[in-house]
Amino acid sequence: ETGVTQTPRHLVMGMTNKKSLKCEQHLGHNAMYWYKQSAKKPLELMFVYNFKEQTENNSVPSRFSPECPNSSHLFLHLHTLQPEDSALYLCASSQDWRGPRLETQYFGPGTRLLVL
Amino acid sequence: DQQVKQNSPSLSVQEGRISILNCDYTNSMFDYFLWYKKYPAEGPTFLISISSIKDKNEDGRFTVFLNKSAKHLSLHIVPSQPGDSAVYFCAASARNSGGSNYKLTFGKGTLLTVNP
Repeated sequence: ETGVTQTPRHLVMGMTNKKSLKCEQHLGHNAMYWYKQSAKKPLELMFVYNFKEQTENNSVPSRFSPECPNSSHLFLHLHTLQPEDSALYLCASSQDWRGPRLETQYFGPGTRLLVL
Repeated sequence: DQQVKQNSPSLSVQEGRISILNCDYTNSMFDYFLWYKKYPAEGPTFLISISSIKDKNEDGRFTVFLNKSAKHLSLHIVPSQPGDSAVYFCAASARNSGGSNYKLTFGKGTLLTVNP
């Protein structure tokens, strides 16, 4: 496998469920990101991890809990979500987070989440 | 408050003609601008970028123009091809509030359809 992969591609869950989204990058990058894209809204940055350390939490509710066990893997744990959390969740990675040349962010295909 | 705006949700052009995608921004701290392209069921892929110290960057059929005084950038595709049909996202980069890393802010996207 190459690039950035995400599983599952689609997920339907109830408001009381607990589920996890997984992201894996095979690019040797040091930074990983979670984004949310809701219908008719821009991509919103949720979390940034650099060398496994969280460096950005964009005021995300605690029902979303990220985990980065190593530079290649990133998880998003979901708990007691609301219907308005239904969206496309995208993972991305980049070689380095420190400079403005963020064109090296590579995105995964996303997980389409529906909360009932 | 949307800092990056793509006011045209869709654009349709004929094959071989020029496609012009527009983007406006409000934050004068943005110092790097990017365009991403997204096909259905795939993550965004980087297309082209421009630093705030330049007013033009060209890469093959794609040219990005930056007008800092107007806080406006545009993506020109010449000649347009049916395979260019996708959603195009404008993004801008600035340091986050803590100054620890750069953060991308995205527009809502413009759906480009190139008709054969």
